[in-house]
Amino acid sequence: DAGVIQSPRHEVTEMGQEVTLRCKPISGHDYLFWYRQTMMRGLELLIYFNNNVPIDDSGMPEDRFSAKMPNASFSTLKIQPSEPRDSAVYFCASSPRPGSGSYNEQFFGPGTRLTVL
Amino acid sequence: AQSVTQPDIHITVSEGASLELRCNYSYGATPYLFWYVQSPGQGLQLLLKYFSGDTLVQGIKGFEAEFKRSQSSFNLRKPSVHWSDAAEYFCAVGQRTGRRALTFGSGTRLQVQP
Repeated sequence: DAGVIQSPRHEVTEMGQEVTLRCKPISGHDYLFWYRQTMMRGLELLIYFNNNVPIDDSGMPEDRFSAKMPNASFSTLKIQPSEPRDSAVYFCASSPRPGSGSYNEQFFGPGTRLTVL
Repeated sequence: AQSVTQPDIHITVSEGASLELRCNYSYGATPYLFWYVQSPGQGLQLLLKYFSGDTLVQGIKGFEAEFKRSQSSFNLRKPSVHWSDAAEYFCAVGQRTGRRALTFGSGTRLQVQP
């Protein structure tokens, strides 16, 4: 099993540019989560999907952030326009459906380190 | 709403010494409980989980944790720490029904002295 795959691993961009982060969850997992990690705020849940449908996006900071999951094997997190305060590590995680020997555990990708200049 | 408190931001132990990292949670029922470890520049790796049954659970890398309902705690322990255990450790709580997202604590950074 390849685990959760994220790309790119590092992204450096200038303020005002559009940024797209990508995630491939573990095959067969029904849930996908996007997190942001900063020194100041720790690990924050941005949004999560169940069967490609957004369930809770209350953590999305503002309208500049959007997330999509067009199919079970791919999700994107987009920031447009980006700002320096968006600099952080963004993690994607996936989780199996309940009752399949799963107890809500999440499996994390390696993260994308975003720097907005 | 559920919450998780990790009271120790930073802990330093000597290699070979025992370790205990504290975690307290707030939740109306018995939750699912997890410990994750994050090495520098890496994602979070699941160390162990509690869902029911034996309150002492074993995990990877020689770690164990004990669920104490009366104290709403799920402390992580290791009898002898190795230098490679230096990392940040996160406790997390999840609901048994409904909302699937986990609530994470703020983390404890472990430093290991030679």
